[in-house]
Amino acid sequence: AQSVTQLDSQVPVFEEAPVELRCNYSSSVSVYLFWYVQYPNQGLQLLLKYLSGSTLVKGINGFEAEFNKSQTSFHLRKPSVHISDTAEYFCAVSESGATNKLIFGTGTLLAVQP
Amino acid sequence: GAVVSQHPSWVICKSGTSVKIECRSLDFQATTMFWYRQFPKQSLMLMATSNEGSKATYEQGVEKDKFLINHASLTLSTLTVTSAHPEDSSFYICSAPLGLLEFFGPGTRLTVL
Repeated sequence: AQSVTQLDSQVPVFEEAPVELRCNYSSSVSVYLFWYVQYPNQGLQLLLKYLSGSTLVKGINGFEAEFNKSQTSFHLRKPSVHISDTAEYFCAVSESGATNKLIFGTGTLLAVQP
Repeated sequence: GAVVSQHPSWVICKSGTSVKIECRSLDFQATTMFWYRQFPKQSLMLMATSNEGSKATYEQGVEKDKFLINHASLTLSTLTVTSAHPEDSSFYICSAPLGLLEFFGPGTRLTVL
């Protein structure tokens, strides 16, 4: 079975500063990895995904993430955040080749301050 | 991209009543849909997998008689919360897969008084 750990429940950061949201996973099989963003009272929007190929994945809104198999990590980064990036961010994993059953981390609230 | 809608977006009901939530894939067909529940400031927990033409598959600890799921067509799945109680108040989100990706609905906020 897979599991996802997001160690930081909240990350406060000033506007225009860089940010990294951490995600670690555990799995005995190969996985697909995802980052989703959730704005208040809304559903989830896919930011980016790693399915195969290049370990550096670029997504929407200037976000990127790097898959590190040896460290079983998939940290999300943005070089300069905006107030509008304030939201809850969820890391998720699914077993590659299986059904689309996603396992989510507990989420990280990115709080961007002016 | 693929769009998934949910209706209603929010609902308030009295304790003991039943509430139906619809999940539709607007521009693609989905033989499978997923229902999640999200408590405030917590992650999404998969409740069940809705299967078109067959019974839903429920996750451990989810009462299938309480949360009735019907996958009536290739674009519609419904979740009915029967005899709702205040502890059922939550944010319910559905999703539908297309290829390797999962597309989420906007969610339904259920408040049981």
